[in-house]
Amino acid sequence: DTEVTQTPKHLVMGMTNKKSLKCEQHMGHRAMYWYKQKAKKPPELMFVYSYEKLSINESVPSRFSPECPNSSLLNLHLHALQPEDSALYLCASSQMTGGNSPLHFGNGTRLTVT
Amino acid sequence: DAKTTQPPSMDCAEGRAANLPCNHSTISGNEYVYWYRQIHSQGPQYIIHGLKNNETNEMASLIITEDRKSSTLILPHATLRDTAVYYCIVRVATAGGTSYGKLTFGQGTILTVHP
Repeated sequence: DTEVTQTPKHLVMGMTNKKSLKCEQHMGHRAMYWYKQKAKKPPELMFVYSYEKLSINESVPSRFSPECPNSSLLNLHLHALQPEDSALYLCASSQMTGGNSPLHFGNGTRLTVT
Repeated sequence: DAKTTQPPSMDCAEGRAANLPCNHSTISGNEYVYWYRQIHSQGPQYIIHGLKNNETNEMASLIITEDRKSSTLILPHATLRDTAVYYCIVRVATAGGTSYGKLTFGQGTILTVHP
């Protein structure tokens, strides 16, 4: 069990669908992250939020739209995805964005785009 | 961020110590060394991190060389449940610059613990 909860655990969507991934933490952390992980590859950073503001966008395509409605919640809105976007999407949180604040990860949402 | 080099795979017998090496020869004075592991189908799990001094917690020990160019993660008594991919990461400690806040994974070491 982790302290970062992601829902749903699995998601199958068509290329014309709109869906959202959700992430929640109640550790009082002020930084939250989205990562993408393809099979047999390391996780790749997508977005970083600090105090509910987007601080890093790693040149992610606009079909991925993050949202941080409050300090405990992080969403990733998905629209017009491609089959190559199929991956494990991981959410993480840390007390701050500084280097002395470990990230705590959820177990991810496994996304399949058909 | 400084790059890290890890062996692609290692084996360890159950009950023995697992010593996982990591080279980070270009590490800066303001970068931490982090270790994470990822067991199949789960999210990465934080193990330990350090700046200059050796660190120990309930999971592992982190030994950083005096010149900080390499480190070793030690799992003192490996179990079958320690089979995972282990990632050594260097992470910027202080604000400023485009790398601040990032935790960037490399390829990691696949550790297999045998009975």
